[in-house]
Amino acid sequence: GAGVSQSPSNKVTEKGKDVELRCDPISGHTALYWYRQSLGQGLEFLIYFQGNSAPDKSGLPSDRFSAERTGGSVSTLTIQRTQQEDSAVYLCASSAGAAKNIQYFGAGTRLSVL
Amino acid sequence: GEDVEQSLFLSVREGDSSVINCTYTDSSSTYLYWYKQEPGAGLQLLTYIFSNMDMKQDQRLTVLLNKKDKHLSLRIADTQTGDSAIYFCAEDSNYQLIWGAGTKLIIKP
Repeated sequence: GAGVSQSPSNKVTEKGKDVELRCDPISGHTALYWYRQSLGQGLEFLIYFQGNSAPDKSGLPSDRFSAERTGGSVSTLTIQRTQQEDSAVYLCASSAGAAKNIQYFGAGTRLSVL
Repeated sequence: GEDVEQSLFLSVREGDSSVINCTYTDSSSTYLYWYKQEPGAGLQLLTYIFSNMDMKQDQRLTVLLNKKDKHLSLRIADTQTGDSAIYFCAEDSNYQLIWGAGTKLIIKP
């Protein structure tokens, strides 16, 4: 596609429910990133996929968070048993993975856990 | 450790120049970036500078890099209300970007 696409744009869920957030990166981009941005905060790195390499999961805050990237393209971030502190904007970015590491961002998914 | 620091807020009058500052720590960074985030929107790449350059100019934007002091700045000339946003500085490190917390630019009429 022309840009990074994320869905849904907004998600309201009840505490304890599972949610799935989707990211469709720019076609041909080998690198994909998930970030979390809490209200008034900067970006918190969550996970990074690069080609067929094992993902860098070092930023995932707990084992309730997981992500996968199928076929090297679309990625899904799953949050199990959501908590109120999970409320944030979840941003996805992709890059060509070359030396000039320009990341292109989607508009994000705003998650509200009630 | 790796850390990118920015002031949280900058307030300027419409028509004045805005200068947003950033310090970084990784001297091996190849590129340094400025991203802009408008309210309710994702991040948009504004500009970037190669680490062996001192300055880059792009219309109203001027990026200055002092590699010795690991200091990066973004100057916006003739600041307009549409420049109201949060500006993030980032350095690259091993194919990942290390981000500052962002500077909120407030425009006074």
